[in-house]
Amino acid sequence: GESVGLHLPTLSVQEGDNSIINCAYSNSASDYFIWYKQESGKGPQFIIDIRSNMDKRQGQRVTVLLNKTVKHLSLQIAATQPGDSAVYFCAESPGGSYIPTFGRGTSLIVHP
Amino acid sequence: NAGVMQNPRHLVRRRGQEARLRCSPMKGHSHVYWYRQLPEEGLKFMVYLQKENIIDESGMPKERFSAEFPKEGPSILRIQQVVRGDSAAYFCASSPGINYEQYFGPGTRLTVT
Repeated sequence: GESVGLHLPTLSVQEGDNSIINCAYSNSASDYFIWYKQESGKGPQFIIDIRSNMDKRQGQRVTVLLNKTVKHLSLQIAATQPGDSAVYFCAESPGGSYIPTFGRGTSLIVHP
Repeated sequence: NAGVMQNPRHLVRRRGQEARLRCSPMKGHSHVYWYRQLPEEGLKFMVYLQKENIIDESGMPKERFSAEFPKEGPSILRIQQVVRGDSAAYFCASSPGINYEQYFGPGTRLTVT
């Protein structure tokens, strides 16, 4: 069936390094993608989104890359900080849908 | 502008009891979504409501679960005759419209003993 999944369950990095979190999706009808950050005991927080008519979008310290050919999405965090430690979820929505489908999540651990 | 509010934050129920989870959307938001999250998993959509209407309940179990969003007051997710498998974190999100970013609340962690 269609699914959204993440390659790595846990990613450990040193403070100051760049982090890359990857996500694969299989629904070819998906045209809207979102990255969320969820800290322990809190709800998901929107980080950045991208539509399928783009292949790159930048925010503050974050960049999302979309490769529609291989159905792959990545989140890059520059100069990772301890406050970035959290679980990161990618989510996708097919055209016309308002309901995102979430992947399992990747736990990012930033060591000082 | 207060964010999405959920209460209670933690709820413990015995098997067979009822659980009522409340969600107050952000000011100006009339669209509410409920999700369930099991440990180490992503969020699963349950139901989407607008004021006084259920728009999409395709993710909500047909039995024991119900949701409402009255004209006045918070949205309520109600689980009757809870079972241990209902133990999870339940998140509410709100948005000002159908194709807008969803803002999530802090969640209610339900534990069924």
